[in-house]
Amino acid sequence: KAGVTQTPRYLIKTRGQQVTLSCSPISGHRSVSWYQQTPGQGLQFLFEYFSETQRNKGNFPGRFSGRQFSNSRSEMNVSTLELGDSALYLCASSFIAGGPNEQFFGPGTRLTVL
Amino acid sequence: EDKVVQSPLSLVVHEGDTVTLNCSYEVTNFRSLLWYKQEKKAPTFLFMLTSSGIEKKSGRLSSILDKKELFSILNITATQTGDSAIYLCAVTGGGNKLTFGTGTQLKVEL
Repeated sequence: KAGVTQTPRYLIKTRGQQVTLSCSPISGHRSVSWYQQTPGQGLQFLFEYFSETQRNKGNFPGRFSGRQFSNSRSEMNVSTLELGDSALYLCASSFIAGGPNEQFFGPGTRLTVL
Repeated sequence: EDKVVQSPLSLVVHEGDTVTLNCSYEVTNFRSLLWYKQEKKAPTFLFMLTSSGIEKKSGRLSSILDKKELFSILNITATQTGDSAIYLCAVTGGGNKLTFGTGTQLKVEL
C-alpha cells in the first residue's frame, strides 16, 4: 500500500508570494491533517479535513488555508508569504476523523521563503 | 490548552544500553497518545496507546500509558546506532489534532 505523498518536496519562494502544497493520503484514508514544523516551535497543527470539510483549525493566521477534494487529496495554501513561514510542512493521513486512530505522515514539503 | 512535556530533551548512550523516554500530558477529553520516531525526514509512527490499549511492544521498543498519572514511557532495549533520532510524543483530545511535545533527541554511540 503506497504511503502518504506530498508535492513538491522542496520549494523556494520570495516574500509576498503565495504557495500551494499538495497531499495525497493513503488509499482509503479520508482524513488529512496539516502540520508546520520549525526548529523553534516544533510541530504545530494547522488544520484537519474530512469529507471535504474542515473539522478543526489551529492557531494560524488566515493566510493559511486549505481544502480537500472528493478523492480525499488535500491542498494547503499560504498567501503573502513571510520569512517566518519557512518550515517543513507535513500532512498526516488517517482512516477516519475523530479518534483514536493511527496517523501516518508524508515526507513533507520544505518551504524556504527568501 | 493541551500540553505535552517530554524528558529528557536529549541524551547520549552507548550501544547495548537501555533507555527510557518520558512523556507527560494535559489534554481535554484524552483519546490517544502516539509515539513517533523522526530522523532527517518525516515522523515515523511507532505506537498508539489508548484507554483500551495501555501497553504496546514491538521488538526492542515498548511503551506504556498511565492514564491516572497522565504519562507514558517509551523503552528501547539493546540500543543500536540506528535508534539515533528524535522521539516525539503526541496526544489527541477531540478529533485528530495531534499536540506534540518538543521531542527527545537520542544519540547512540558505538
